[in-house]
Amino acid sequence: DAGITQSPRHKVTETGTPVTLRCHQTENHRYMYWYRQDPGHGLRLIHYSYGVKDTDKGEVSDGYSVSRSKTEDFLLTLESATSSQTSVYFCAIRRTGDTGELFFGEGSRLTVL
Amino acid sequence: GIQVEQSPPDLILQEGANSTLRCNFSDSVNNLQWFHQNPWGQLINLFYIPSGTKQNGRLSATTVATERYSLLYISSSQTTDSGVYFCAVLFSGNTPLVFGKGTRLSVIA
Repeated sequence: DAGITQSPRHKVTETGTPVTLRCHQTENHRYMYWYRQDPGHGLRLIHYSYGVKDTDKGEVSDGYSVSRSKTEDFLLTLESATSSQTSVYFCAIRRTGDTGELFFGEGSRLTVL
Repeated sequence: GIQVEQSPPDLILQEGANSTLRCNFSDSVNNLQWFHQNPWGQLINLFYIPSGTKQNGRLSATTVATERYSLLYISSSQTTDSGVYFCAVLFSGNTPLVFGKGTRLSVIA
């Protein structure tokens, strides 16, 4: 257990509404990531962070923004949700130090109607 | 470009059989991990193995970094081994890990 909590775990929303997913960690690791997982596509990186206020885009960043105002929280925002953003979203942290091992949160299932 | 390729994409086994999953990568690595995604969607860490061999119960993994591949061995498979197995590779310190597309394993009783 790497002390990662995602919220909400499940959300149903309507097209055009804003949505924010939260990833909280208790171990103060530098690197945090947001992935989405869809059938047939494996895990795709949306955005990642390498420190407070330091973020970068992944391969599927269009339509998403992120913020990291403190080490423990990494927020993923869909400014205006679309049905194509229906997915399971995973947060991950990478431990610094000798191993740099990656750990995932439990996932957040988002349905956009 | 940087690539991580897993094979086979799908595998069906009878309970009790052994299997080998393969991960090929295109460049030298700083980190390689194997994950299991169970049927409930949880992503579980199996091995951190940038080189060498590790064993954990019925599972073992070997990475030959000089030849750019890693193998995950599952012995005496059980139905609870079903799910998708992902290989992920860190090619340099500040870049995100690159994931393979996974091997979907179904173990039948």
